[in-house]
Amino acid sequence: AQSVTQLDSQVPVFEEAPVELRCNYSSSVSVYLFWYVQYPNQGLQLLLKYLSGSTLVESINGFEAEFNKSQTSFHLRKPSVHISDTAEYFCAVSEGFRSQGNLIFGKGTKLSVKP
Amino acid sequence: DTGVSQNPRHKITKRGQNVTFRCDPISEHNRLYWYRQTLGQGPEFLTYFQNEAQLEKSRLLSDRFSAERPKGSFSTLEIQRTEQGDSAMYLCASSSRATNEKLFFGSGTQLSVL
Repeated sequence: AQSVTQLDSQVPVFEEAPVELRCNYSSSVSVYLFWYVQYPNQGLQLLLKYLSGSTLVESINGFEAEFNKSQTSFHLRKPSVHISDTAEYFCAVSEGFRSQGNLIFGKGTKLSVKP
Repeated sequence: DTGVSQNPRHKITKRGQNVTFRCDPISEHNRLYWYRQTLGQGPEFLTYFQNEAQLEKSRLLSDRFSAERPKGSFSTLEIQRTEQGDSAMYLCASSSRATNEKLFFGSGTQLSVL
């Protein structure tokens, strides 16, 4: 069965420190990969996605994720976090034979950035 | 454009009652999705419409659940004979080819079944 595992439920970090949020998936077919973010009291928003091509994808606010097919991972990284990055982050996959919006989500990782 | 709108924001009901939620997608988005999210879990896909056609349904969508999108615009999700296990946040999202199928989520309807 397809699944997404986010290894850390909570990640506390200090402002300006680097962060990595881990995501592993299992699937027997080709996948599309996504990171969504949910800021406090807001809806889910797409942060970045990998569909094909370069395995390193970036967001407009400094996050990046790298698709590693051999390790079935799609970890999210940021070299220096801000207080405003405090949010819950969800990794998700969509299998090629399903609609791109039929996503399988992980349980989420709560990132809390402290001053 | 005001984004994806969901109503009501909160719904409290007694076990056995029927409830209906509404989702208004971003105008001109032809695809509409329903998800359910319980505490401590990620969202789970329920069903998907392209225009008025319901194209995919999850096994999570029991016979007590029905979704419609009669004119290809707004959608409703009805739960009949609610059970305590139905308590969750129900999320709606929409997308279109013009946005490269990026999903835009609403803020959700929080259902509490007592």
